[in-house]
Amino acid sequence: GQSLEQPSEVTAVEGAIVQINCTYQTSGFYGLSWYQQHDGGAPTFLSYNALDGLEETGRFSSFLSRSDSYGYLLLQELQMKDSASYFCAVIGDSGYALNFGKGTSLLVTP
Amino acid sequence: DSGVTQTPKHLITATGQRVTLRCSPRSGDLSVYWYQQSLDQGLQFLIQYYNGEERAKGNILERFSAQQFPDLHSELNLSSLELGDSALYFCASSVTGTGVSEQYFGPGTRLTVT
Repeated sequence: GQSLEQPSEVTAVEGAIVQINCTYQTSGFYGLSWYQQHDGGAPTFLSYNALDGLEETGRFSSFLSRSDSYGYLLLQELQMKDSASYFCAVIGDSGYALNFGKGTSLLVTP
Repeated sequence: DSGVTQTPKHLITATGQRVTLRCSPRSGDLSVYWYQQSLDQGLQFLIQYYNGEERAKGNILERFSAQQFPDLHSELNLSSLELGDSALYFCASSVTGTGVSEQYFGPGTRLTVT
């Protein structure tokens, strides 16, 4: 089977940097994705790492270590609008649909 | 706006009833996925269709079924509804159907079973 572990809640101050970790267990691995979801809204795609290393997209970066089955999402220069849930996800054993972690609720405070 | 549409936005119904949720994928996307999101279970994959054919099944109950039509829109049918079926149901789409990390989610249908 598959499992993904990420912290349930993280709080950070506006302007700061926060890192959300994700560890996974899966038999087949294509890569690690990150999605953002605001309260009551649809998940939106943030980033994808298929290979080891850091991928940067603006204020957001994502890192993957395949040997450690570990990745993280790094959010810099936090803004109030970054308060949301962040999900890591891997392609399921079927090779088709996404298997999501339970999500990390990020609260950005003034 | 992802380009994926879902109707209805909200649905309130009683236990034992049957409902149909509808999804239209982004233009050009052949694959449709259905997910259920509840507070205690997170986002759970239900079923995927690719160009009209069922491609993969996840944690979908036997009371639930889906199909994808020739125009590529999809419907999720939920029957003999129970209180525990109350959740947000999302549809997502992608161009292809294998190993797709980037999926585009619709706004969801919030189902309340009373």
